[in-house]
Amino acid sequence: KAGVTQTPRYLIKTRGQQVTLSCSPISGHRSVSWYQQTPGQGLQFLFEYFSETQRNKGNFPGRFSGRQFSNSRSEMNVSTLELGDSALYLCASSEQQNIQYFGAGTRLSVL
Amino acid sequence: GQQLNQSPQSMFIQEGEDVSMNCTSSSIFNTWLWYKQDPGEGPVLLIALYKAGELTSNGRLTAQFGITRKDSFLNISASIPSDVGIYFCAGGTTSGTYKYIFGTGTRLKVLA
Repeated sequence: KAGVTQTPRYLIKTRGQQVTLSCSPISGHRSVSWYQQTPGQGLQFLFEYFSETQRNKGNFPGRFSGRQFSNSRSEMNVSTLELGDSALYLCASSEQQNIQYFGAGTRLSVL
Repeated sequence: GQQLNQSPQSMFIQEGEDVSMNCTSSSIFNTWLWYKQDPGEGPVLLIALYKAGELTSNGRLTAQFGITRKDSFLNISASIPSDVGIYFCAGGTTSGTYKYIFGTGTRLKVLA
């Protein structure tokens, strides 16, 4: 089976712009979770989607949003980008609420 | 956000040495996972633990689910240069809906 695929791998944006990141889960996995990873804060949970519904949410502002499509692919959107949003954004997929398998991540740099 | 306490934060070891790291929390978890992350890549699952007291091996790696369900340990035997990376623990909880909380990471550097 193919692993979790995240696109793009790298992004450079400027403050105030918005960005959309994409995640294709492992075939058959219906749960997709998003994490933000920074050197200072480690891995922080953003939200989890299951069958197109947000089932769990972390403590991030409303500028961070996501959605899941009927084929389980998920997108994450960040509006009005701030410098502090620079991070590695990781997507993980799982069957039900089981072990999470991660993609390689999208490295976002906000200038 | 919430994170688990992982120690040591970083360590330098000689090739061939054994390594131990641990993860502790004030909360009880139902699952413990251990991941390794290489620079610029996502975390890769090493070992999954499902029961208190469980001891599981994966090659030179051995991990244990603490009896209190509040901690977990990872040991690497006879380290090699490719063991370099950051090791993360993750505790899974079913409080509400299932969620994972990650440790702060242990950065391992192996000296050949």
